[in-house]
Amino acid sequence: AQRVTQPEKLLSVFKGAPVELKCNYSYSGSPELFWYVQYSRQRLQLLLRHISRESIKGFTADLNKGETSFHLKKPFAQEEDSAMYYCALRPGSSNTGKLIFGQGTTLQVKP
Amino acid sequence: EAEVAQSPRYKITEKSQAVAFWCDPISGHATLYWYRQILGQGPELLVQFQDESVVDDSQLPKDRFSAERLKGVDSTLKIQPAELGDSAMYLCASSSLAGPSYNEQFFGPGTRLTVL
Repeated sequence: AQRVTQPEKLLSVFKGAPVELKCNYSYSGSPELFWYVQYSRQRLQLLLRHISRESIKGFTADLNKGETSFHLKKPFAQEEDSAMYYCALRPGSSNTGKLIFGQGTTLQVKP
Repeated sequence: EAEVAQSPRYKITEKSQAVAFWCDPISGHATLYWYRQILGQGPELLVQFQDESVVDDSQLPKDRFSAERLKGVDSTLKIQPAELGDSAMYLCASSSLAGPSYNEQFFGPGTRLTVL
């Protein structure tokens, strides 16, 4: 079965602390992995995708096929990073573009 | 900057009534998606269109839900009759296989449905 698991509903850290949002997936093929973010009162938007291997707003994520994980990391959290974060998978074998989302993790960065 | 538009933003209805949601994708985006997001969960795909054709509606409860994209531009999602369990956020997204945002899904603000 194709599934994305985000084990933490809420992650609370202090400003300047490192952040790691966990994401594990279940998929037998070669997936595309994404992180989406939703700031308060804004629409869901793409943060980064594993194939681009870029850093956005200081966040990075590495696809670990052995551990089937795609954890999101940032060395120093900022208050403006407070948001809901969703990990998503697009099956590589699918002829559609559908995304399978995890349940989301709320990141709270305290001053 | 072009954005996906949805209306209404909020809808309250009684069970057994009919409701309809509208989505206008980013101009030129051939692919349109409807997702449902139940409180506390991630979005789940209901239906995907490529132009005016349905590509994937495997998770659409077809006994009560219908979706159309007659001219391959805007789209309507309908529920008839609505049930209490349909209370959720309904998100529309669109994407294009052309340009720098290749296959990136852009989301609308959503329609929050409450069924009483």
